[in-house]
Amino acid sequence: GQQLNQSPQSMFIQEGEDVSMNCTSSSIFNTWLWYKQDPGEGPVLLIALYKAGELTSNGRLTAQFGITRKDSFLNISASIPSDVGIYFCAGPFYNTNAGKSTFGDGTTLTVKP
Amino acid sequence: GAVVSQHPSRVICKSGTSVKIECRSLDFQATTMFWYRQFPKQSLMLMATSNEGSKATYEQGVEKDKFLINHASLTLSTLTVTSAHPEDSSFYICSARTEETRNQPQHFGDGTRLSIL
Repeated sequence: GQQLNQSPQSMFIQEGEDVSMNCTSSSIFNTWLWYKQDPGEGPVLLIALYKAGELTSNGRLTAQFGITRKDSFLNISASIPSDVGIYFCAGPFYNTNAGKSTFGDGTTLTVKP
Repeated sequence: GAVVSQHPSRVICKSGTSVKIECRSLDFQATTMFWYRQFPKQSLMLMATSNEGSKATYEQGVEKDKFLINHASLTLSTLTVTSAHPEDSSFYICSARTEETRNQPQHFGDGTRLSIL
């Protein structure tokens, strides 16, 4: 099946540092989604991207939809302890039906106070 | 907006029991709902897609007789794990989306931790 390659798998950073993670695919996406999952809870939508080249911010988070439609990155600036969690990229592929999304394997973020 | 409620949040039961999990969209009409399974430290694995009023579409390798899905209304879908065994223990998460406008993302419930003894 089609896959998303998400990296890095995990990150250990100091509070206040900036974070960057990305997803790539061999297939074209028509939407890129970024979610955060806290332990024992469901994923929460952070940012949704709909156009190639689109750059969108949500507070300290910034995400971009790659020009080739095959990649996206998520940046977190000035990290704080509550940023800890697992971040997933996801998206429906171009011309897919049923609105199904495929998820990356996640980036586990640990922030040291 | 876009709140999805999942119930129960945790179930512990004996092997052989059937367990029903409910997923409700509270403030929008969910034309499509999805059921996922997640093992510790892994990503979400899609089990099935359900559309209101029609049969669910199961992903390859998911037993439809084992995981019964009903999507009887635009705000409610249920997943029943029939005759559950310890290997069915997992974190089950539902999500819902509307197609009233294009490219709407999925919104997730808080998950159900199922433990079979």
